[in-house]
Amino acid sequence: NAGVTQTPKFRILKIGQSMTLQCAQDMNHNYMYWYRQDPGMGLKLIYYSVGAGITDKGEVPNGYNVSRSTTEDFPLRLELAAPSQTSVYFCASSTRGAEGDTEAFFGQGTRLTVV
Amino acid sequence: ELKVEQNPLFLSMQEGKNYTIYCNYSTTSDRLYWYRQDPGKSLESLFVLLSNGAVKQEGRLMASLDTKARLSTLHITAAVHDLSATYFCAVVTGANNLFFGTGTRLTVIP
Repeated sequence: NAGVTQTPKFRILKIGQSMTLQCAQDMNHNYMYWYRQDPGMGLKLIYYSVGAGITDKGEVPNGYNVSRSTTEDFPLRLELAAPSQTSVYFCASSTRGAEGDTEAFFGQGTRLTVV
Repeated sequence: ELKVEQNPLFLSMQEGKNYTIYCNYSTTSDRLYWYRQDPGKSLESLFVLLSNGAVKQEGRLMASLDTKARLSTLHITAAVHDLSATYFCAVVTGANNLFFGTGTRLTVIP
C-alpha cells in the first residue's frame, strides 16, 4: 500500500516564488491535514479537510491555501514564499473508526527552504 | 487556546534505566496518541489511547491516559539504544484534528 504520498521531497524556493506541495492518499480517508514542523519543534496544523470540497484553517494558515476536489488529493499552495515558511511539511490522512479512534497516517514530508 | 505540553523536552538516559515522559493538555479530550519520530523521518504511530484509564504496552514502552487530570505518560523500561528518538503526544479535538506537543528528544547512552 502506498499510504500517504508527498511530492516533492525537497525544494528550494526564492523569496516571492510560489509552489504547490502535492499530497495523495489511497486509503479512502475522509480527513486530511497539512502540518509544518520547524526545527526542534512539534507539528503545527496549517489546514485540514473533513471531506472532498470542505477545508478549514488550522493554527497557522497565513501564507497558505488548500483545495480538496477529490477524496484522494489535498494540495497545499504557497503564494509569495517567505523565509519564515522554511520548514518540513507533513501531510496526513485519517479516518474515524467505530470506536472513535483516529489514527493518522503521515507522509514522508517535504523539506522546503526559502532563500 | 489548546496547549499540549511535554516534559522533559530533552532526556538523556543510560541503557537499562527507567524513565517517564509526561504530556499535559489543556482541553477536554478522551483521545490521545503517542508518536515516534527518528531524525529526518516521518512520524510512526506508537499508541492510541481512547478512554480514561487506558493503558497500552508495546515492548519497553507503556502509555497511560488520565483524562480527569488531562495527563498522559509514556514510561520507558530498561532503555536500549534503539529507543533513541523524539516522542510526541497528540491530543484529538472535536474536529478530529491532532494537536501535538513540543516533543521529547530521548537519547539513550551506553
